[in-house]
Amino acid sequence: IAGITQAPTSQILAAGRRMTLRCTQDMRHNAMYWYRQDLGLGLRLIHYSNTAGTTGKGEVPDGYSVSRANTDDFPLTLASAVPSQTSVYFCASSESGGDTGELFFGEGSRLTVL
Amino acid sequence: GQNIDQPTEMTATEGAIVQINCTYQTSGFNGLFWYQQHAGEAPTFLSYNVLDGLEEKGRFSSFLSRSKGYSYLLLKELQMKDSASYLCAVMDSNYQLIWGAGTKLIIKP
Repeated sequence: IAGITQAPTSQILAAGRRMTLRCTQDMRHNAMYWYRQDLGLGLRLIHYSNTAGTTGKGEVPDGYSVSRANTDDFPLTLASAVPSQTSVYFCASSESGGDTGELFFGEGSRLTVL
Repeated sequence: GQNIDQPTEMTATEGAIVQINCTYQTSGFNGLFWYQQHAGEAPTFLSYNVLDGLEEKGRFSSFLSRSKGYSYLLLKELQMKDSASYLCAVMDSNYQLIWGAGTKLIIKP
């Protein structure tokens, strides 16, 4: 049972480079999310998608973009990475958006921007 | 603004009981979640409270008082594997999750 798979697990990136973090789920969940986790701060929502074909902005969307072409995949793109985007990124899913169901998280992608 | 407060770190002894508190101020309330996160791993769901009172699940229990904006997670018969961070999150009126910074729980033998 895979659940949610993220790739890469870790990446060091030069500032200004473009980077896509991949996220795939096999649970047929409608809603998917991207969070970043920084030391001393709670998880912060970057972007979300309540269903395939739709996306929305979270708390900290600037510098990031997402797409949701199908149910399973929800990639996160940094168009031009900056050092402040150094963080651990978690992809998550839930059965449907806007409900009170639990979130299932991927194992995270640790990104360092130099 | 919206705010979730929980202690940064707590220490407890193996076999003992520990209570991790969470207070919140949010725009509306549609439930409170507790997640466990071991170092370097993903958060995993522990509990969900939407009504006042205590929800018990094995060694873990979660309490909610909506009038006080307060919850706690109670861990009994502590085991070394319970060493982890415990994240409190509240779902606001827009069904967005607001997360606390987490409480790092250290279990000593």
